[in-house]
Amino acid sequence: EDQVTQSPEALRLQEGESSSLNCSYTVSGLRGLFWYRQDPGKGPEFLFTLYSAGEEKEKERLKATLTKKESFLHITAPKPEDSATYLCAVQAYSSASKIIFGSGTRLSIRP
Amino acid sequence: EAGVTQFPSHSVIEKGQTVTLRCDPISGHDNLYWYRRVMGKEIKFLLHFVKESKQDESGMPNNRFLAERTGGTYSTLKVQPAELEDSGVYFCASSQDPDSFYGYTFGSGTRLTVV
Repeated sequence: EDQVTQSPEALRLQEGESSSLNCSYTVSGLRGLFWYRQDPGKGPEFLFTLYSAGEEKEKERLKATLTKKESFLHITAPKPEDSATYLCAVQAYSSASKIIFGSGTRLSIRP
Repeated sequence: EAGVTQFPSHSVIEKGQTVTLRCDPISGHDNLYWYRRVMGKEIKFLLHFVKESKQDESGMPNNRFLAERTGGTYSTLKVQPAELEDSGVYFCASSQDPDSFYGYTFGSGTRLTVV
């Protein structure tokens, strides 16, 4: 069964303190792995798509990497506005209509 | 460009009543998706439309849920009759192509509470 596990559930950092969020996945034929950001009361906001092991994508203070079993979202020198829930999701070739979400990591950045 | 619009933003109904959620996708997006998050769980897929046709409805929980997409534009999701376990946040998303290279654009969701 395809599934996504994210860790930690919650992470509190001081402003400027870099860290990484983990996403472990099991999928029968990975078509794509996605990172989304979700703010309270809003829908998920697309950040990155990764397709193959070794691929990396960057956007401002965020960098996403992918291996055959997991993905990391690295946050460098975060600011309070980076506080949000970060969601990882996968799409399988066998069921390309849907993406399977993890439960997310709630990130809080203290000034 | 306008985003994905969902309404109502909140709905509180009694068990056994009917509720209809509406989603207006981004103009020109043929692909429309419904997802939901029930209390304490992950966001889960419900179904996928390509234009007005249902491409995949494997995530629909039971026959109390009915989704339609009129003329390939807006979509509605009707729950009839509603049960307590239907409470949660219902998200709609749209995309120009199914390959998701640019990701899906999600609406802000409808929070449904069944009492």
